[in-house]
Amino acid sequence: DTAVSQTPKYLVTQMGNDKSIKCEQNLGHDTMYWYKQDSKKFLKIMFSYNNKELIINETVPNRFSPKSPDKAHLNLHINSLELGDSAVYFCASSPGGVYGYTFGSGTRLTVV
Amino acid sequence: GNSVTQMEGPVTLSEEAFLTINCTYTATGYPSLFWYVQYPGEGLQLLLKATKADDKGSNKGFEATYRKETTSFHLEKGSVQVSDSAVYFCALVWYQLIWGAGTKLIIKP
Repeated sequence: DTAVSQTPKYLVTQMGNDKSIKCEQNLGHDTMYWYKQDSKKFLKIMFSYNNKELIINETVPNRFSPKSPDKAHLNLHINSLELGDSAVYFCASSPGGVYGYTFGSGTRLTVV
Repeated sequence: GNSVTQMEGPVTLSEEAFLTINCTYTATGYPSLFWYVQYPGEGLQLLLKATKADDKGSNKGFEATYRKETTSFHLEKGSVQVSDSAVYFCALVWYQLIWGAGTKLIIKP
């Protein structure tokens, strides 16, 4: 009964490939997020969706495209992968307001 | 704007030592405050939270008190264990989650 589940957990791929990471939450939260964690553990928000609508779109290369088919799912598609895209990507959800966020277990992306 | 500042790591302690990881914040409203923990190779877990001034959050022997007068939310534990080795993130939520940079904690036997 994982609250926020993301797949795959590990992803190793070659430069130039296109890949997707999927995220699903069963908490009934309205808002979902994608974060990128770099090698120094710093977390940076990439995107946020509220009820399937994009509300936060930070300065991220347009090779990254989020898609939210419904409010329980937020997928991340990455085109033309580059070495610098290697990181851990976290999906999260929140009911909004001052409540905390629930995170998925992360996807470790390695581009070779 | 809103921000969170936490002490730089790594923090290295011996087992059974007393732990304090400092966290201060600036906020335009009345945020909720959180500590998250990331064990090696794992995801982010909520450790504890406090939603208003003077609230104390606690979990697994860790405590933090929401101090509005000093805008702080320091994490403490009376006796750390090797298994507490992890990265600890202080965060606030005021309609958006604002993270600290994380503090790596290393506990030696």
